[in-house]
Amino acid sequence: NAGVTQTPKFQVLKTGQSMTLQCAQDMNHNSMYWYRQDPGMGLRLIYYSASEGTTDKGEVPNGYNVSRLNKREFSLRLESAAPSQTSVYFCAAKFPGQGAEAFFGQGTRLTVV
Amino acid sequence: QKEVEQNSGPLSVPEGAIASLNCTYSDRGSQSFFWYRQYSGKSPELIMFIYSNGDKEDGRFTAQLNKASQYVSLLIRDSQPSDSATYLCALGDTGGFKTIFGAGTRLFVKA
Repeated sequence: NAGVTQTPKFQVLKTGQSMTLQCAQDMNHNSMYWYRQDPGMGLRLIYYSASEGTTDKGEVPNGYNVSRLNKREFSLRLESAAPSQTSVYFCAAKFPGQGAEAFFGQGTRLTVV
Repeated sequence: QKEVEQNSGPLSVPEGAIASLNCTYSDRGSQSFFWYRQYSGKSPELIMFIYSNGDKEDGRFTAQLNKASQYVSLLIRDSQPSDSATYLCALGDTGGFKTIFGAGTRLFVKA
């Protein structure tokens, strides 16, 4: 089992370019998440999908869109990248419920120049 | 006020000592609390969870929860250089879908 897989691992974009970060899980979890991690800021929730067919905004959704393609896949799109979106992005998956553990992908380090 | 507050550190302890990591939270409705460890350049991984007031021990790790004071802590006994990492405090939000993370505390264990 691969768990949660993100692609790509590294990406450099020019300001204004677009890209999609891919995330897939083989753990049969209902809920999937996109976080960004910046120095001193911890993990901040961008968007989440509580279950297939639903998506909701998190703490920092501006500049991003998401698609829950099916139960396994949850993608994050930057339509017009900005330097402020330089960050490490993590996808996570878990079962619903307060007590459930979140499993993380290996992260995508994105630099916008 | 942020939902989960942690001292960013760094916290430096000698090998063999007890490392004490602390966290406060604002949502009184939260029922589940987690400690994740994140090595530099890696993704977070769960090391402890606690739901009830009091202490929970797992090997060298002890999680402590005090809901009245809205306080959760992690003790690492016999600290090893391999424990050097960032420790993220997290809680399950009352809606049940989101995990809210603190900014993390960097721990250095000196050999």
